[in-house]
Amino acid sequence: DAKTTQPTSMDCAEGRAANLPCNHSTISGNEYVYWYRQIHSQGPQYIIHGLKNNETNEMASLIITEDRKSSTLILPHATLRDTAVYYCIVRAANFGNEKLTFGTGTRLTIIP
Amino acid sequence: DAGVIQSPRHEVTEMGQEVTLRCKPISGHNSLFWYRQTMMRGLELLIYFNNNVPIDDSGMPEDRFSAKMPNASFSTLKIQPSEPRDSAVYFCASKPGLAADTQYFGPGTRLTVL
Repeated sequence: DAKTTQPTSMDCAEGRAANLPCNHSTISGNEYVYWYRQIHSQGPQYIIHGLKNNETNEMASLIITEDRKSSTLILPHATLRDTAVYYCIVRAANFGNEKLTFGTGTRLTIIP
Repeated sequence: DAGVIQSPRHEVTEMGQEVTLRCKPISGHNSLFWYRQTMMRGLELLIYFNNNVPIDDSGMPEDRFSAKMPNASFSTLKIQPSEPRDSAVYFCASKPGLAADTQYFGPGTRLTVL
């Protein structure tokens, strides 16, 4: 699976949009981009995933560049409960490839 | 939905003792995963099962670690004998099947080996 690069930490004001970037310049054509987050002392939580089209769900939006070498997770109206470590993961959707490789992620702090 | 259930939530033991961690996946989920999280190594996949059969155990650190899934609603991760370097948070996750996209994680078991 391709490697991802994320900033170590970010701050965002409460109520504003939080934009978390991820670089995956070596991504292959069959690899999806997944985002999980981990709130302190909890297990990781799935947020969203996509292949090449932008995706939106009740939690977030995922914007993938046309060349697929980078993406941005957008939390439209950040709340204090969104403070967490956010992981960007690239994974090929092959049967049997179940490994989610969690890097160091971005520690997002929402400021009141 | 009860979610993935793990027990115990905290375990403190002495070096050399046997430790058994337990996991109950979400009902109807056919795939189960065991992860370990440490400050040094982050979150690592240890082993995963599909339909109660171990599919990939390449992440299991050594022979002291073993995992079983005797039925669709229960799995164990055993460490025997335990060592201080095994101290970590162990997470169990499940998903409906290998084709499903989302893994659902439990709250974890924090293991401390003295």
